[in-house]
Amino acid sequence: GAGVSQSPSNKVTEKGKDVELRCDPISGHTALYWYRQSLGQGLEFLIYFQGNSAPDKSGLPSDRFSAERTGGSVSTLTIQRTQQEDSAVYLCASSLRQGVAKNIQYFGAGTRLSVL
Amino acid sequence: EDQVTQSPEALRLQEGESSSLNCSYTVSGLRGLFWYRQDPGKGPEFLFTLYSAGEEKEKERLKATLTKKESFLHITAPKPEDSATYLCAVQAGGSNYKLTFGKGTLLTVNP
Repeated sequence: GAGVSQSPSNKVTEKGKDVELRCDPISGHTALYWYRQSLGQGLEFLIYFQGNSAPDKSGLPSDRFSAERTGGSVSTLTIQRTQQEDSAVYLCASSLRQGVAKNIQYFGAGTRLSVL
Repeated sequence: EDQVTQSPEALRLQEGESSSLNCSYTVSGLRGLFWYRQDPGKGPEFLFTLYSAGEEKEKERLKATLTKKESFLHITAPKPEDSATYLCAVQAGGSNYKLTFGKGTLLTVNP
């Protein structure tokens, strides 16, 4: 079946503009994650959604970052008033659900964000 | 705080030259250790999960092992198509989902 789909694949924006990044998880996966991968750094956890539960937003770096998940499927990560330090690859992953023995996270190809 | 350190940062091998990548971790109760492969411009691709010390898993030329402090990814007789960045991640006992990643090892296999 189809994997995790992210769009756009690349986004170039000007400092101060808002951007929206989209993630379509694997069908049937109830858990969805956003990570950020900056040059030379490991993947940094941003936010986690599980079904209808309140999301874990503990990894969001500032209040300029927000995310929502509509209908338990598609998710949008929004960055307001972008700054140059927001430039990175934003990765989305999904998994069947938490608590199972093999809670493997499957990743999309990411959105490369460049803030000029 | 959970920490994952991968070494070396980069490794160049000749085709057929076997070697190992290291992942050292400190975590409050290990729930699982994950290895991923990442090709340029792509997202990480799942390779293995290890759950307890002494566990080993194999896939083609790759073999992952786990101790109480570290994991090794052994690559036997690598081929150029094994060139990629290999990422290690841990899931702590207090979390059902959060992964802490290392910075990865960039492996280049020359023909």
